[in-house]
Amino acid sequence: QVQMEESGGGVVQPGRSLRLSCAASGFTFSNYGIHWVRQPPGKGLEWVTYISHDGNKEYYAASVKGRFIVSRDNSKKTVFLLMNSLTEDDTAVYYCAKDHGPGGIGWVVPSDDWGQGTLITVSS
Amino acid sequence: DIQMTQSPSSLSASVGDRVTITCRASQGIRNDLAWFQQKPGKAPKRLIYGSWSLQSGVPSRFSASGSGTEFTLTISNLQPEDFATYYCLHHTGFPLTFGQGTKLEI
Repeated sequence: QVQMEESGGGVVQPGRSLRLSCAASGFTFSNYGIHWVRQPPGKGLEWVTYISHDGNKEYYAASVKGRFIVSRDNSKKTVFLLMNSLTEDDTAVYYCAKDHGPGGIGWVVPSDDWGQGTLITVSS
Repeated sequence: DIQMTQSPSSLSASVGDRVTITCRASQGIRNDLAWFQQKPGKAPKRLIYGSWSLQSGVPSRFSASGSGTEFTLTISNLQPEDFATYYCLHHTGFPLTFGQGTKLEI
């Protein structure tokens, strides 16, 4: 079965960087795009970024554009989210989710396959 | 960017009730809308995609409709496990945006 597992969360000071990982299994990883979605404590969901199956396309929310970089290593079945210049507003649980269909053809939307999330706390 | 406005923000109901949640898009999004359910401390679960297509394994008491700018999620015969927070998400182009959520309470 499909499994998504985020790691790399923790406490980080404002202005610093942190890299999250999303390890996947149970499907042909190189065929699917991956989304990151975050949720500040007690608040709603915010879509953060998407990387295409081949890594050639990346899209970002305005709130993170220019600070966050998404990448992937298909040989390791892992997606990375490098978060730079972190602020307290970036404090959230970060989820990765598999895209709906292979190759980014048709709908590009998170599927029902999500990780359990990893908490990032930005605090001095 | 497309804004998604959900209403109501919270809703009280009883087991066996039928409830409807509405999501409005700031511009037309065809039928590029998904609905998610989230329980405390858990990852969101997708209920609906493509505006009305039921995710595999989701009970048929969940239904959805809409196209363009107005969408609805209806839950019939509410069950205890349905009390959760519901989010809509447009996926008609980047950036994707969620509605602010509707908390369904007993």
